Amino acid sequence: GQQVMQIPQYQHVQEGEDFTTYCNSSTTLSNIQWYKQRPGGHPVFLIQLVKSGEVKKQKRLTFQFGEAKKNSSLHITATQTTDVGTYFCNYGQNFVFGPGTRLSVLP
Amino acid sequence: KAGVTQTPRYLIKTRGQQVTLSCSPISGHRSVSWYQQTPGQGLQFLFEYFSETQRNKGNFPGRFSGRQFSNSRSEMNVSTLELGDSALYLCASSFTEPLTDTQYFGPGTRLTVL
Repeated sequence: GQQVMQIPQYQHVQEGEDFTTYCNSSTTLSNIQWYKQRPGGHPVFLIQLVKSGEVKKQKRLTFQFGEAKKNSSLHITATQTTDVGTYFCNYGQNFVFGPGTRLSVLP
Repeated sequence: KAGVTQTPRYLIKTRGQQVTLSCSPISGHRSVSWYQQTPGQGLQFLFEYFSETQRNKGNFPGRFSGRQFSNSRSEMNVSTLELGDSALYLCASSFTEPLTDTQYFGPGTRLTVL
């Protein structure tokens, strides 16, 4: 079956530092979605990427889809305590979610 | 527009019992997907319903079943509960196609099996 890797599993950063999480697939993807889940909350949709090499920005968040459509990244610039949570990628062509990256931000 | 609602929010059962969880999607959404979330396994897909038909299914045993009603509300049932079924059960609704549309998740039902 399709292998979904997401790294790192955990990331602790000081407030103001940058953060990046990566999703890697063993197969080519048609699209990828990113979700955020706050502690005690439920996943909330952030963005969907469809095109090869696509880059989308949402304020301090930058999402990229690899040229080969096998990997994606989420980069947060100057993290804030509100960024705390677990970030999941979802491989849109099936219902597979990555294991998530749990981000802690120290004030 | 009201979000996805799930009932009950918390449930405690004992091994061997069965349980039914309910999900009401966002008005106008016809697809409902169910997921199991545990610390060890993450988010795992159970099944997806569209217009009262199960359209996709994950790799869970037959003890896990579901259905969808004509108003798009969905229920999932777990029979003969096992300790390992303790988890957060999330449902998500989308307009038509969860693989390309945004999935809107409900708050989940926290099931504890003793």
